[in-house]
Amino acid sequence: KQEVTQIPAALSVPEGENLVLNCSFTDSAIYNLQWFRQDPGKGLTSLLLIQSSQREQTSGRLNASLDKSSGRSTLYIAASQPGDSATYLCAVKGGSGGYQKVTFGTGTKLQVIP
Amino acid sequence: DGGITQSPKYLFRKEGQNVTLSCEQNLNHDAMYWYRQDPGQGLRLIYYSQIVNDFQKGDIAEGYSVSREKKESFPLTVTSAQKNPTAFYLCASSTGPDDGYTFGSGTRLTVV
Repeated sequence: KQEVTQIPAALSVPEGENLVLNCSFTDSAIYNLQWFRQDPGKGLTSLLLIQSSQREQTSGRLNASLDKSSGRSTLYIAASQPGDSATYLCAVKGGSGGYQKVTFGTGTKLQVIP
Repeated sequence: DGGITQSPKYLFRKEGQNVTLSCEQNLNHDAMYWYRQDPGQGLRLIYYSQIVNDFQKGDIAEGYSVSREKKESFPLTVTSAQKNPTAFYLCASSTGPDDGYTFGSGTRLTVV
């Protein structure tokens, strides 16, 4: 059974700092990995999607990397801003549950302090 | 703009009552999904549909039912058999296995 872990559960940083969020998964036979942000009481907004054949994806100040062999993905946020405050979730498609099975982590709650 | 619309945003259910959550998408996506989100837990899959008139149970389907009569619509009914329905419900869609998910804005269901 695929398990997805995000550590830490919460993170507080001063504005302007570069930061890294971590996502670990137990089964490396994945199809893709997607990073989302969720604001309180809202739905999930897609940030980046990395296919299993890719090593990284970039969008603006965000960069996501994928290392299947070690079962890890990182989301790098450059020059953090208060507007980046949200919960960040990773979702892994594939693994022993079948290629269509998507498993979500419980998220990292980020607070960027002005 | 294309997207997924969930309604209502807030829903209150009395004991023993069935309620239906709406999910409509204009993205022309084939696959649609319903997830439940509880504090401190990851999203859990309730039901999914990969094509019109076909759907499969997810990990926590007991007490829920769905239909997929149109490509654009995938309503979820929370029945009285669901003993702990208070949660945040999220609908998602995707085009296929290479695609990621697009989510709606969610419906918060509370039992009163």
